[in-house]
Amino acid sequence: SYVLTQPPSVSVAPGQTATITCGGDNIGSKSVHWYQQKPGQAPVLVVYDDTDRPSGIPERFSGSNSGNTATLTISRVEAGDEADYYCQVWDSSWVFGGGTKLTVL
Amino acid sequence: EVQLLESGGGLVQPGGSLRLSCAASGFTFTTYAMSWVRRGPGKGLEWVSGISDSGSSTYYADSVKGRFTISRDNSKNTLSLQMNSLRAEDTAVYYCAKFDPNPNQFFDHWGQGTLVSVSS
Repeated sequence: SYVLTQPPSVSVAPGQTATITCGGDNIGSKSVHWYQQKPGQAPVLVVYDDTDRPSGIPERFSGSNSGNTATLTISRVEAGDEADYYCQVWDSSWVFGGGTKLTVL
Repeated sequence: EVQLLESGGGLVQPGGSLRLSCAASGFTFTTYAMSWVRRGPGKGLEWVSGISDSGSSTYYADSVKGRFTISRDNSKNTLSLQMNSLRAEDTAVYYCAKFDPNPNQFFDHWGQGTLVSVSS
């Protein structure tokens, strides 16, 4: 089965840029989707199809995907961005990465 | 506004059964595939099961195949998950999720979840 690898944690100061990676074998050939989940809340789709944002998601959230790594970038990080972030692809079933906890210092 | 409201969670003993429901509103339920995704304590998100818009096709993770059954009632805008032979490792918050319009590769709306605890 297909495996997606994320760093367990990422820390960033307010106003700086956070980069969360998602590794997978030739992931660049797949569409990658990203979700944000805050404690006690439902997951929210923040990026789909590698680079697109659903309506209502700030432009600070962006995505890229190439080779063996997909990346979620959060610019001008705010305290409210602190959450768990998951990447996800379709590969014969719906596969999630292990998640990355973003801490805003 | 899309709304997904799960119910039916609770405490059950190992080997027991539970039926989860998800009431959908704010969109044309009959034209979207639906899914269940769970998050265990201290764990990440795990896809559990999916069903096509008509209900004619169903899909299961290997971890639940043969024990869980997904279904939908399009006349009542309701999604269900029948869980049998429950194990401790099934303990999780279960989310009802709506698939994207096509080709059903991601989940564009989620419910708030319902907690299932399997313990003696």
